[in-house]
Amino acid sequence: EAGVAQSPRYKIIEKRQSVAFWCNPISGHATLYWYQQILGQGPKLLIQFQNNGVVDDSQLPKDRFSAERLKGVDSTLKIQPAKLEDSAVYLCASSRAGQGGGTQYFGPGTRLTVL
Amino acid sequence: GENVEQHPSTLSVQEGDSAVIKCTYSDSASNYFPWYKQELGKGPQLIIDIRSNVGEKKDQRIAVTLNKTAKHFSLHITETQPEDSAVYFCAAGSNDYKLSFGAGTTVTVRA
Repeated sequence: EAGVAQSPRYKIIEKRQSVAFWCNPISGHATLYWYQQILGQGPKLLIQFQNNGVVDDSQLPKDRFSAERLKGVDSTLKIQPAKLEDSAVYLCASSRAGQGGGTQYFGPGTRLTVL
Repeated sequence: GENVEQHPSTLSVQEGDSAVIKCTYSDSASNYFPWYKQELGKGPQLIIDIRSNVGEKKDQRIAVTLNKTAKHFSLHITETQPEDSAVYFCAAGSNDYKLSFGAGTTVTVRA
């Protein structure tokens, strides 16, 4: 079974520029998550999708971050404009729907550096 | 929201010794407690998890214990090997699938 795919793996941009990340979850996984992992910290949830609907985006900085999951499969996360403090690894994870908390499987992440 | 604290932040052990990492959580509604291992340049990988209806779970050299009354859970790695060197994260979640992660423990196994 293929794992969660993410691209690009690395991205370097100047502050105020825009950037987009792509995620393809494990086949059949209805729930998709985007996390931000700042160096030396644990992952922090940004947004959670169930199929193509948003379940929770309470920690997403909506003035600059946006995410979509059209057709309930692939997802993109966009930052516009980027700030220095956005430098982090952006992780995508997916899980099956179900009760009791679904096991989340993570992709390799995209390391973003904002100069 | 849920707050997960993890200790220690770094842990150095001699190969063959045991390693123990402890976490506490704040939300009594949390009922799912996974542990992830993250190697350099990779995403977190699930190594073991436990649900609130179980007090202990073991998988070969790895075991997790849960004390719901005290709101803490621990990871135990026995007979450590160099390949166990990594950053380990605990997390807590509930039926809405949201996970709150600890800050991580960097484990170094000395040969």
